[in-house]
Amino acid sequence: KAGVTQTPRYLIKTRGQQVTLSCSPISGHRSVSWYQQTPGQGLQFLFEYFSETQRNKGNFPGRFSGRQFSNSRSEMNVSTLELGDSALYLCASSFSRGYNEQFFGPGTRLTVL
Amino acid sequence: TQLLEQSPQFLSIQEGENLTVYCNSSSVFSSLQWYRQEPGEGPVLLVTVVTGGEVKKLKRLTFQFGDARKDSSLHITAAQPGDTGLYLCAGGGNQFYFGTGTSLTVIP
Repeated sequence: KAGVTQTPRYLIKTRGQQVTLSCSPISGHRSVSWYQQTPGQGLQFLFEYFSETQRNKGNFPGRFSGRQFSNSRSEMNVSTLELGDSALYLCASSFSRGYNEQFFGPGTRLTVL
Repeated sequence: TQLLEQSPQFLSIQEGENLTVYCNSSSVFSSLQWYRQEPGEGPVLLVTVVTGGEVKKLKRLTFQFGDARKDSSLHITAAQPGDTGLYLCAGGGNQFYFGTGTSLTVIP
């Protein structure tokens, strides 16, 4: 069974631009969660999607948004990029809602210049 | 303010030594999870502890959930270089919180 895939793996953007990251969950998994990992703040929860609906949201500004498609694939978007948005963005999939048995992808490394 | 505090933050030990990592919170969790993350990869779930006082063993790793379900510990016996990585505790309800992390280096 293929694992969670994230594209692209690396991305360089400049301040003010926007970016879209993609996550394909494990086949059959319907829940996708997104996380931001930085050296200073560690791993922080962004949001959870299940059945194409955002179920929970972390404490991030509205510049961070996401969506989930009918095939459970998910995208997250960050608009008006700031230097502080440089981070490793991880997505995790699980079969059901909640955070049990989460399987993580390798992440997208975003650098904002 | 971090909901889950881990200690120590960094740990460098010789192969064969034992170690314990702590995860503490002022909040009660219905369950806590432990992950290990290696460079360039996402975290991998090691174990979930659910019941207060529960002890789970995974080969040389022993996980314990505090009686009050506010803390947990991870004990590694006879550490090996393959145990090197970032260890994270995590838990939550609507939101999911990760601990501050413990970076372990096992020197051959």
